[in-house]
Parts: sequence; C-alpha cells; structure tokens
Amino acid sequence: AQSVTQPDIHITVSEGASLELRCNYSYGATPYLFWYVQSPGQGLQLLLKYFSGDTLVQGIKGFEAEFKRSQSSFNLRKPSVHWSDAAEYFCAVDTVSGAGSYQLTFGKGTKLSVIP
Amino acid sequence: ETGVTQTPRHLVMGMTNKKSLKCEQHLGHNAMYWYKQSAKKPLELMFVYSLEERVENNSVPSRFSPECPNSSHLFLHLHTLQPEDSALYLCASSPTRDVQETQYFGPGTRLLVL
Repeated sequence: AQSVTQPDIHITVSEGASLELRCNYSYGATPYLFWYVQSPGQGLQLLLKYFSGDTLVQGIKGFEAEFKRSQSSFNLRKPSVHWSDAAEYFCAVDTVSGAGSYQLTFGKGTKLSVIP
Repeated sequence: ETGVTQTPRHLVMGMTNKKSLKCEQHLGHNAMYWYKQSAKKPLELMFVYSLEERVENNSVPSRFSPECPNSSHLFLHLHTLQPEDSALYLCASSPTRDVQETQYFGPGTRLLVL
C-alpha cells in the first residue's frame, strides 16, 4: 500500500538558519506530492505541490521542495527560517482508496520550533 | 466572509449526547471533505462529497453521519461517541474531486468526548 513517512517528529532551528524537512513515500508510479502547513489553532494550508516536470518546486512563503525519484523523497527546504514559520508541516501523497478512488494520504507531520 | 468556516470551534459532549458539526465554504467549490486529526496519528480522511453526493466513506463508524445539503454546506452528525473519538475534526473543500486540486481547510472543531 502507498504510504508517506516523515522521519522527524520535531525539529528546532534558530531564526535565520536553513531548514530541511524530510518526506519519503512508497508508490509504484510517479506520485502527486504535496506539502501543507498547519499553524497553531488553524487548518492546513498548501505550501506547494508536484505533479510532473521540473523536480524543484517553488511554493509560498519562500519554501521549495525537490522531488528525487531515486530516493523516493520530496524534502521541503527554506534557506532562512523566520519565527513565523513555527508550525507543523505535513507531507502528503495521492493514494488509491479501497473503493478505487484517489485521495490524499498524509504523513504524521513534523513540528517546527524556531528559536529567536 | 471568505474561505472555509467551521462551527463550533470547541465542543465537549457526553457519550450519550447528539451534536452536529457544521462546515461552510464560500469558495464556490464542488467537493467537500471531513478529516479527523488525532494526536500522534496522521490526518485521516473520513468522508468525501462531490456535487453533494457522497463518493468516499473510509470505513467510518456509523456513529458519525455526514450530510451535504448543498455544495456550500457540510455537516457531521455525532451520536453515542466514544472517548477515543476526541480529536480535531477538519473540514476542507476543493474546486473538484480531482486529487490534484488544492484542498482548502477550515480551522477545525476541537471535540472532547467525556
């Protein structure tokens, strides 16, 4: 079955430092991949998504992600983290449900803390 | 008012109560979703509606009963819940049911079952 793994439960970085959040998926074909962010007390917001083409995807808020088929990874990066980036980040991949339709399967999330 | 709204934001109920969660989207979307977000577990898709027709029911217990009277409103009716049903319930919408579409989430209803 398709799945998505976020190995890091919690990451702490200093403001201004670079950031990389890891995401690995297991899927036979080329997947549709997404990163969502959830700020405290809020719903999820899409940061970026990848379907095909250029493997480096630019998103909102200065985030980018790179699709690496050989590593089955879709890691999220930001060159300089701001205090407002403290949130929980979810990677998601399209999967086939038991009924045969496509739906999003989310990872467990990585909580990002930012030290001023 | 824009986006996806959910009411109430917080709800405490006993196991014998009946309550309903409401979701409303002002984006003109045709697909709506209910997700359950529990601590330390991935976000779980519960139900999907497309053009007011339920198209997905991911083995959700019958004590959760969804209703979609029109494309802008989605309800989740709750009855005889269990303490393990305590979670954040998120509603989302998207232009169509296509998995490529961006889903827009509401802020959620934090449910506590005593």
